[in-house]
Amino acid sequence: QVLLVQSGAEVKEPGASVKVSCKASGYTFTSNILHWVRQAPGQGPELMGAINPGGGGTTYAEKFRGRVTMTRDTDTRTVYMELTSLTSQDTAVYYCARRASSYWALDVWGQGTTVIVSS
Amino acid sequence: EIMLTQSPGTVSLSPGERATLSCRASQSVSNSYLAWYQQKPGQAPRLLIYDASSRAAGIPDRFSGSGSGTDFKLTISRLEPEDSAVYYCQQYGGSPGFIFGPGTKVEIK
Repeated sequence: QVLLVQSGAEVKEPGASVKVSCKASGYTFTSNILHWVRQAPGQGPELMGAINPGGGGTTYAEKFRGRVTMTRDTDTRTVYMELTSLTSQDTAVYYCARRASSYWALDVWGQGTTVIVSS
Repeated sequence: EIMLTQSPGTVSLSPGERATLSCRASQSVSNSYLAWYQQKPGQAPRLLIYDASSRAAGIPDRFSGSGSGTDFKLTISRLEPEDSAVYYCQQYGGSPGFIFGPGTKVEIK
């Protein structure tokens, strides 16, 4: 069974950083691109970027460039998303999602990690 | 950058009725790289349709997708109570890849 299991909820103060993890199982970790998508309360999903677990290459949405870093650990089959300089606008549920092997869509999603930014 | 619009914003129908959801792109979508997702409260999105008309694994055949170019539709042929959710279309293209529409909420009376 293909699973993506994310780390738990976080509460951060404005200006802080958050690092969310996503552990993959049930498939060849290096075979699929992993994306990070966030969803603010009452809003639609928003793509933040993607990482290729095979070579570690990343691509970030323009909106997040300079504030987001995506990394991976092939030994533990885990990808990470770190977002810095948090503001209240970053309060959202953060998802990792796997790009399907043979078509352009996100076929497996993590359960989501709630990040609340509040003083 | 391609923008997606979805209509209607909310639709309220009875069980057994047909729902037709629309997704319109501001530019032609390459190779029909258009997907549909279902999201229920407190859950992650679930892939329903990819490549505009192919059902994802395990998706009931009452869900179908159609369209090409800039106009796409998701049809739920016989609504069931568990179909109450928000439905998003998503297009692949450009960097960093995926763009989502604003969603259509389906309410079951």
